[in-house]
Amino acid sequence: NAGVTQTPKFQVLKTGQSMTLQCAQDMNHNSMYWYRQDPGMGLRLIYYSASEGTTDKGEVPNGYNVSRLNKREFSLRLESAAPSQTSVYFCASSANTGTSDTQYFGPGTRLTVL
Amino acid sequence: GENVGLHLPTLSVQEGDNSIINCAYSNSASDYFIWYKQESGKGPQFIIDIRSNMDKRQGQRVTVLLNKTVKHLSLQIAATQPGDSAVYFCAEKAGFQKLVFGTGTRLLVSP
Repeated sequence: NAGVTQTPKFQVLKTGQSMTLQCAQDMNHNSMYWYRQDPGMGLRLIYYSASEGTTDKGEVPNGYNVSRLNKREFSLRLESAAPSQTSVYFCASSANTGTSDTQYFGPGTRLTVL
Repeated sequence: GENVGLHLPTLSVQEGDNSIINCAYSNSASDYFIWYKQESGKGPQFIIDIRSNMDKRQGQRVTVLLNKTVKHLSLQIAATQPGDSAVYFCAEKAGFQKLVFGTGTRLLVSP
């Protein structure tokens, strides 16, 4: 039982390049989330998927797109990377069966945009 | 390593001491709270949670206290060990709304 896995672990992009961050969970969770973490700012929600087939914007969605490929997988795409998107990106999942909804996190992707 | 948390408040303790990490939450409607631990270069790890109908909940070496009157949450770690060194942050949730995360406190444990 690997929990939440993310690939790649590290990535360096040039401004304007595109890439997709992959996330998968094996806990049969309904909901999945993408966050970014910047120094002193805590975790900020980019997009989430409450259930398979649905996606919604979070607090900071600009410059990103997501795809809930199936119940297990939720990907985050940067179409044209900018230096402001340099950050650590975390995927999380939760059962989302009630109001006590613990989120479990992956190990993160460290992205640098030059 | 991570540069996350460059400007975080820091709590320094000696190995074997008890640690208390505090969190002030903002939403009086929040009814579910979680403490996470984040080690350098890793993702946040669930430690313990508590619902608003409880004042205290204990886990293995950890206790969470909730004071709804002053909107304050604390995490107590007994007999702190070097492996407890990490950033700790709380998260709050109101009903079916999304989790809201605090910025965290860095715990440094010296031998």
